[in-house]
Amino acid sequence: GDSVTQMEGPVTLSEEAFLTINCTYTATGYPSLFWYVQYPGEGLQLLLKATKADDKGSNKGFEATYRKETTSFHLEKGSVQVSDSAVYFCALSEVQGAQKLVFGQGTRLTINP
Amino acid sequence: NAGVMQNPRHLVRRRGQEARLRCSPMKGHSHVYWYRQLPEEGLKFMVYLQKENIIDESGMPKERFSAEFPKEGPSILRIQQVVRGDSAAYFCASSPGQAPGYTFGSGTRLTVV
Repeated sequence: GDSVTQMEGPVTLSEEAFLTINCTYTATGYPSLFWYVQYPGEGLQLLLKATKADDKGSNKGFEATYRKETTSFHLEKGSVQVSDSAVYFCALSEVQGAQKLVFGQGTRLTINP
Repeated sequence: NAGVMQNPRHLVRRRGQEARLRCSPMKGHSHVYWYRQLPEEGLKFMVYLQKENIIDESGMPKERFSAEFPKEGPSILRIQQVVRGDSAAYFCASSPGQAPGYTFGSGTRLTVV
């Protein structure tokens, strides 16, 4: 079945550092890809998405490019802030049917001032 | 426009009791999804419903768990005879149709004591 593998955490960086969180997937066909962010005690917020190969999703300084050839959707940000501390989830959505999401295990990010 | 509303935010039940979790989708959204998040894990799909219909319940445990989305009122996830292993965060999401990506609620954190 479909699956998503994320870079294991936790990840700890200093403020203004460059961030990469790796995400690769296995799927039949060409799913849509997502990054969600979960702040402590809250639900998931959609951070960005890409629906076809070579699409780049971006939001709040974060970016990710849908790479079909490497089946990857790595999350990047050029300069992180303390407020970016959260858990980040990579996910894919089925091509057809119920559109249910398959999530990676999550990567906990801590940014130190 | 209110987001996806879940209640209660926190629920404590003794082993053997019933738990009822409620989800009101965003206005105009007729598709509801339930996910479960075990501690330190990603979200796992449970069930997908449209008004008065269960479309996909492939992620629901075979026993004790049920879900409904009546014509009027919120969607309900019901867990009968709860056990300690049911302790988790339960998230609801809604969408207006079968488009990729949807909006999550803040979740109900169930603790079984």
